Amino acid sequence: DIQMTQSPSTLSASVGDRVTVTCRASQSIDSWLAWYQHKPGKAPKFLIYGASRLESGVPFRFSGSGSGTEFTLTISSLQPDDFATYYCQHYNSYPYTFGQGTNLEIK
Amino acid sequence: EVQLLESGGGLVQPGGSLRLSCEASGFSFRSYAMSWVRQAPGKGLEWVSVINYSAGTTDYADSVKGRFTISRDNSKNTLFLQMDSLRAEDTAVYYCAKAQSSVTTTALDSWGQGTLVTVSS
Repeated sequence: DIQMTQSPSTLSASVGDRVTVTCRASQSIDSWLAWYQHKPGKAPKFLIYGASRLESGVPFRFSGSGSGTEFTLTISSLQPDDFATYYCQHYNSYPYTFGQGTNLEIK
Repeated sequence: EVQLLESGGGLVQPGGSLRLSCEASGFSFRSYAMSWVRQAPGKGLEWVSVINYSAGTTDYADSVKGRFTISRDNSKNTLFLQMDSLRAEDTAVYYCAKAQSSVTTTALDSWGQGTLVTVSS
């Protein structure tokens, strides 16, 4: 199985900051990577697919990059609504594992 | 607007069974693959199972293989997850999620609110 490792596990930041979350795959997954935002008690929200393609309606301050085994999610200027947990997920081969999550909290 | 409404969660004893349903609306259900994803208390998201648009292809996480069965009724726009031989570690919120296309090798672009399954004596 492909393992997905996110870092950091927790990230403290302020409104307006630029933040980056890293996701590493245990083997190459090409660009078969998605990012999701999840808030407690809510449905996860789909942000990015194909490692760098922004889902329709997602603000342009979100961006993704990478291929192979190293990926990043960047939020260019944090907004109050962005504080949440972020997950990467590969869909290269079964099982489609998620990273352990990055909790983005207010500093 | 895509809507996914899960139901069927509840309290069940270890070794018991439960059947989850996910009623879909707002899109052509029969044209898309679907998945189940769960989140145990205090833990992250865990992919559970996937089924393609025609139910011809399914797959499961190792943790549920042989105990859970995914299925769908395209005439009723409904996805199911039959869960047998339940264990305490299956306690989680179970989410239904829509794939981006008919095949299973895509990301999950819409999610339901989830239904809580608690396995305890």
